[in-house]
Amino acid sequence: AQSVTQLGSHVSVSEGALVLLRCNYSSSVPPYLFWYVQYPNQGLQLLLKYTSAATLVKGINGFEAEFKKSETSFHLTKPSAHMSDAAEYFCAVTGGGNNDMRFGAGTRLTVKP
Amino acid sequence: NAGVTQTPKFRILKIGQSMTLQCTQDMNHNYMYWYRQDPGMGLKLIYYSVGAGITDKGEVPNGYNVSRSTTEDFPLRLELAAPSQTSVYFCASWPGGVVGTDTQYFGPGTRLTVL
Repeated sequence: AQSVTQLGSHVSVSEGALVLLRCNYSSSVPPYLFWYVQYPNQGLQLLLKYTSAATLVKGINGFEAEFKKSETSFHLTKPSAHMSDAAEYFCAVTGGGNNDMRFGAGTRLTVKP
Repeated sequence: NAGVTQTPKFRILKIGQSMTLQCTQDMNHNYMYWYRQDPGMGLKLIYYSVGAGITDKGEVPNGYNVSRSTTEDFPLRLELAAPSQTSVYFCASWPGGVVGTDTQYFGPGTRLTVL
């Protein structure tokens, strides 16, 4: 079975500051890992995904995440926050099927001017 | 393409009432999913379908039913609404293949309140 834990339900950063959203996973099989973003009143949109290729994954809007097997982590980063990054971010893991996908509880990112 | 569309956007139900949440996708995807999102929680899978005529339970199926008579439509039925079903419901579709080669496409959600 797979699961993810997102550390911090709410993260606040200043515009231009580093964004770091934490995700740790648990999986009995090699995992596929995803980060999704949800803007208010919208569905989830894929930011990036890890599927056992490169451990450093680049996504849309300047986000990237690094898969670290030794730490069972898949943290999401962005060097410089923009006001438009304010949203809810979800980490998700699956062992190979979308019906087994498990989502974290989400982290709400606030960006202060 | 309209992608994944859901209706209604909002609904308030009384305890014991029934309703159907509609989901339609125009991308010819075989796989479709229903999730619920509770405050402070991630998405939990209710039901999914791998093609017309085939459905299966997800993590939290109790109190719900689904059908898949066409590739495009995947309605979710609540027979006897309960306050515990107050949530935001998302429908998603996926073309198939190896997981991760393409994303799940999510609808905008239906916000349901049961009083």
